[in-house]
Amino acid sequence: AQSVTQLGSHVSVSEGALVLLRCNYSSSVPPYLFWYVQYPNQGLQLLLKYTSAATLVKGINGFEAEFKKSETSFHLTKPSAHMSDAAEYFCAVSGGYQKVTFGTGTKLQVIP
Amino acid sequence: GAVVSQHPSRVICKSGTSVKIECRSLDFQATTMFWYRQFPKQSLMLMATSNEGSKATYEQGVEKDKFLINHASLTLSTLTVTSAHPEDSSFYICSARLGEETQYFGPGTRLLVL
Repeated sequence: AQSVTQLGSHVSVSEGALVLLRCNYSSSVPPYLFWYVQYPNQGLQLLLKYTSAATLVKGINGFEAEFKKSETSFHLTKPSAHMSDAAEYFCAVSGGYQKVTFGTGTKLQVIP
Repeated sequence: GAVVSQHPSRVICKSGTSVKIECRSLDFQATTMFWYRQFPKQSLMLMATSNEGSKATYEQGVEKDKFLINHASLTLSTLTVTSAHPEDSSFYICSARLGEETQYFGPGTRLLVL
């Protein structure tokens, strides 16, 4: 069994400020973890993924996430928000060759 | 790499008609593809897992006779919404799995049933 909890359905940050989107997971097997971004009326784009290698994962567009097993967390961060980062972000977990379970999403608003 | 396309991107149809949506992996072969449905302001709901050369596996509560899935080749899966009704209006997204763990998503198909 696996699940994902994203804390905060809406997050607002000022342009240039730190972005922190929270994700906690549960999994009965060693997890694969993902962050996807979705722009309006579009599919999901893979930002980054954790697959049991380095615990700090760097992705596209300056995003990174850190896998913390003790906290069962995989929070997404970006040092400086850009207007183009405004979108919906989904955290997801998989046990490998299994279904991916998505969180409920966090809508990021960037205030100029 | 790892590009997935969907066609059409938008479709409007009359109630009672059938609509076919195609999902293609353009630069890789995918033995497994997935079909999701997304309601406004909600997360993705997995409808079914499509396996090349075999029957699709449907999630609980998804009508297999209404949502027909065919995965005839390693690069193409199709979802046919049969006898569509207004409540079937939604955003349908497919994905294709590359390797053990990563899914790559198509751009989605907006279906509106009048």
